[in-house]
This record gives sequence, structure tokens and C-alpha cells, in this order.
Amino acid sequence: DAGVTQSPTHLIKTRGQQVTLRCSPKSGHDTVSWYQQALGQGPQFIFQYYEEEERQRGNFPDRFSGHQFPNYSSELNVNALLLGDSALYLCASRLGGAKNIQYFGAGTRLSVL
Amino acid sequence: GQQLNQSPQSMFIQEGEDVSMNCTSSSIFNTWLWYKQDPGEGPVLLIALYKAGELTSNGRLTAQFGITRKDSFLNISASIPSDVGIYFCAGQLGSNTGKLIFGQGTTLQVKP
Repeated sequence: DAGVTQSPTHLIKTRGQQVTLRCSPKSGHDTVSWYQQALGQGPQFIFQYYEEEERQRGNFPDRFSGHQFPNYSSELNVNALLLGDSALYLCASRLGGAKNIQYFGAGTRLSVL
Repeated sequence: GQQLNQSPQSMFIQEGEDVSMNCTSSSIFNTWLWYKQDPGEGPVLLIALYKAGELTSNGRLTAQFGITRKDSFLNISASIPSDVGIYFCAGQLGSNTGKLIFGQGTTLQVKP
């Protein structure tokens, strides 16, 4: 049973570019959340997707957008990249419902030069 | 962004020693979670706490949900080298939400 998988593992972009990160949830999970983890910090919640809609959003600008597909996989898009967007981007999945815990992927390391 | 206050920031201990770390918040949470993150990996859940006052163990790990619902602690007994890593507390406002608020992490190093 595969866990949460993310691609790519590493990515290098330049300022102003756009990037798309991908996530496949753990088998049986229908809810996906995205987090940004800056170096030396805890993860920060970006948003959550359920039934192909954004359900909750953290304190991130509109440059951050996402999508969830019918197979529950998800993408995170970041436009107009800034140097400060350099971070580890984590995807977490869970089965919707009370007390269902989130499982995290290994993340995508994004470097913006 | 919003974060919990986690302490200590780092610890360097001898193998076999006990470890204690804690997390405080100005907000009330309905769920407290403790995760461990190894280099190059995502956080892995260690313990989940759902009720104020709850004390839960997972092997050598013990965690408690504070009575005020604004704090939690994690204890590790008889530490071993594989306990090395970064430990994060996380608070969750509802039981059916994906939004977790994380602490800054406690980096644990264990000297054999």
C-alpha cells in the first residue's frame, strides 16, 4: 500500500516563473492538504481540498492555487515565484471524517534563484 | 503565520536519558498531535490526543493534552540513537479539519 507520494522531489526555478507540484494521496484517502515548510520552521498550512474543491485556506496569497482531480490526486501551483517561496512543500492526505489523522509525503524541495 | 510555542528549541542528551518537551498556545485546540521528522522525510505521527487531560503512551513515548487545552507535553524515556530527529507539536481546532498549526520544532540529538 503506497503512502503519500509527491513529485518532483527537488525543483529549481527562477524568480517570476511558475511551478506545479503534484501529490498522490494514500490509498483510500479523499482529502488532501498542502503545507509550506521553510528551513528551520514548522509546516504552515496552505489549503485543503475535498471533493475537488478548496475547503480551507491558510494565510497565503492568491499566487498559491491548487486543484484536486476525480482520483483525489492534487496539484499545487505557485505563480510569479519569489525568493521567499523557497521551501519544502508537503502534501498530507486523510480520509474525511472525525479523528482521521493526516499522513504526510516526503515533500518537494523548491529552490527559487 | 500562526505557530505554537515549542520548547526547548534543541536538546543534546546522552543515550539512556529521559527527554521532555512541551508546547503552549494562546488558543484552545480540540486535538493535539506530536510528529517526528527525519531529514529528507515528511512528518510522521507519533501520538494523537483528543481530550483535555488525556495521557497517552506509544512505547517509550508519553504525551498529555493539557487541562486548559492550550498546552501539551511529550516525554521520551530511555532515549536511543534512533530517537534523533526533529519533533513537532501540532494543534487542530476541529476534529474534522485538515488545518494543523505546528510548533517550531525541537531538535533532538542523542550521544551514544
